[in-house]
This record gives sequence, C-alpha cells and structure tokens, in this order.
Amino acid sequence: DAGVTQSPTHLIKTRGQQVTLRCSPISGHKSVSWYQQVLGQGPQFIFQYYEKEERGRGNFPDRFSARQFPNYSSELNVNALLLGDSALYLCASSSPGHRTEAFFGQGTRLTVV
Amino acid sequence: GDSVTQMEGPVTLSEEACLTINCTYTATGYPSLFWYVQYPGEGLQLLLKATKADDKGSNKGFEATYRKETTSFHLEKGSVQVSDSAVYFCALKQGGQNFVFGPGTRLSVLP
Repeated sequence: DAGVTQSPTHLIKTRGQQVTLRCSPISGHKSVSWYQQVLGQGPQFIFQYYEKEERGRGNFPDRFSARQFPNYSSELNVNALLLGDSALYLCASSSPGHRTEAFFGQGTRLTVV
Repeated sequence: GDSVTQMEGPVTLSEEACLTINCTYTATGYPSLFWYVQYPGEGLQLLLKATKADDKGSNKGFEATYRKETTSFHLEKGSVQVSDSAVYFCALKQGGQNFVFGPGTRLSVLP
C-alpha cells in the first residue's frame, strides 16, 4: 500500500500569492490533518478533517483554509502569502480511534520570497 | 492548553554510547504519548507509542515508559548507531484530537 503522498514536494511563491497543497491519505484512512513545521521547530497543528468535515482548527489566520474530498484526499490553501509562511507543510492520515498514530507524508517545502 | 517539553539539543554522541532524551508533558486527561523521528529531508516516522500509564513502547532498540506520576516519557537507547542521527519529537494526543509536538531534539552520532 502507498503511504501518505503529498504534492508538490517543493515550491517557491512570491509574497501576496496564493498556494494549494495536496494530500492523498493511506487507503482506508478517513482522517486527514495538516501541520506546519517551521525550520528548527516542531510541527504545529493547522486543520483536521474527518469524513469531509472540519473537526479541528489550530491557531492560524483565516488566510489558511482546507477541504476534504469524497475520496478523502485533501487540499490546503493559503492566501496572501507572507514570508513567515515559509515552512514544511505536513499532511497526516490516521484510522479512527483516540490511541492511533498518525502517518505522515514527506511534506511540501514552501518558500515565500 | 496541552504542551510537550523536550531537552534542548543538539545532542552529540559517539557510536555505541547510551542515549536519553527527556520529555515531559502537561495535559488535562489521559493522553496517548508518542515518539516520532525525522530524518533529513523527510516527514515524520512513528518510532514508538504508549497509550496508558506504565506502558512501555519499544522499537529498533529504543524504549520509553509512560510515567503518569512524573508526566514524563523519556526516550532511551542502550547503544546508538550513526544511522540514528535524526531529529526526535515527543508528542501527545488526547481523544480524537490533533497531536501536540515538542520542539524536537537533534541527535548526531559520530563514528
């Protein structure tokens, strides 16, 4: 089985632009979460989706939005990019249950110039 | 809110040395605890987990015990290898909620 896949792996954007990141979860996983990892820090929670509904949102501005599709894949959108949005964006999928681990993709490295 | 604290890095060890990375947490309720590892240029991989007090997680020679009385989950390995060089993250999860990660500890193992 394929793991969590994210695309693109790298991209460079200019301040003020918009970006869309994509994630495909492990087959059978209905929960997808997004995390932002700034260089040298631990991942910070952005969104969680389960069965296409938002189940949680971290402390991020409204410029960040996401959605989950019927096939459980997900997109993260960031509008009006700032230099501080430069980070590794990680997608994770998991099976139901509060003790289950999350499986992470390799991430999308976003650089805002 | 919930939080995780890890020992500051970087940690530099010689091959075959003993490793301990301290992790303590603050949480309401009874979280599950995890250690994830991140190799250069990659995402996070689960190393081990423990879901209730006194549970011991283990994998690839690494161990960690869920200590509720000290709210700790220290990572240990008896003999590290060069291939263990990576960044290690302690994390907690409550209910079906998101993970809360510590800041990470970079480990470098020298031959």
